[in-house]
Amino acid sequence: QVQLQESGPGLVKPSQTLSLTCTVSGGSISSDGNYWTWIRHHPGKGLEWIGYISYSGSTYYNPSLESRIIISLDTSKNQFSLKLNSVTAADTAVYYCARDDFGSGKFDYWGQGTLVAVS
Amino acid sequence: QSVLTQPPSVSGAPGQRVTISCTGSSSNIGAGYDVHWYQRLPGKAPKLIIYGNTNRPSGVPERFSGSKSGNSASLAITGLQAEDEADYYCQSYESRLSVYVIFGGGTKLTVL
Repeated sequence: QVQLQESGPGLVKPSQTLSLTCTVSGGSISSDGNYWTWIRHHPGKGLEWIGYISYSGSTYYNPSLESRIIISLDTSKNQFSLKLNSVTAADTAVYYCARDDFGSGKFDYWGQGTLVAVS
Repeated sequence: QSVLTQPPSVSGAPGQRVTISCTGSSSNIGAGYDVHWYQRLPGKAPKLIIYGNTNRPSGVPERFSGSKSGNSASLAITGLQAEDEADYYCQSYESRLSVYVIFGGGTKLTVL
């Protein structure tokens, strides 16, 4: 059973960089076909896909966030990370990491989510 | 504002049937991309309940079903139970400028 767990600061100052890590257990992050994804949920609004990194390290980002995002992979720790720079209050959200099953676009495993406030 | 439009809320009594619509356009659902549905219980992570328009992952009750036609998709829940009270989100791909994942705005289901 694959499990994901987000970690990182719960509070970030405006204009600074939000950094989160997702630790994957129960499976290798570099297994063929897995795409590791970040998604966020703004309070009172819908879900927003941030981007993903593939098992081989290829990245693909939401065009609306692309200029501010870096998603990276650390296979030695079985982790992947999100860096979002120049944050504003609009980036306050619950951030989830998830697995995209073989790039099918369906997210079958999710972390519990972590609230990040920008203030 | 989400690219995929869902009603903000729906409600039904226990045992009843409810449907949640997800309306897109020719550049997303209508372009042939699959629709997936997620259930988000309060304080919990979203859970995949329908994938590939009509398929249920193992462990999801048969009471949940999905359909897709043209630019829209629907989630139906029959035999409503109190535990079904949650937020529901549809998800697909947008291809207008580049291909990327999109979600609906979410629908709050209240079991009366």
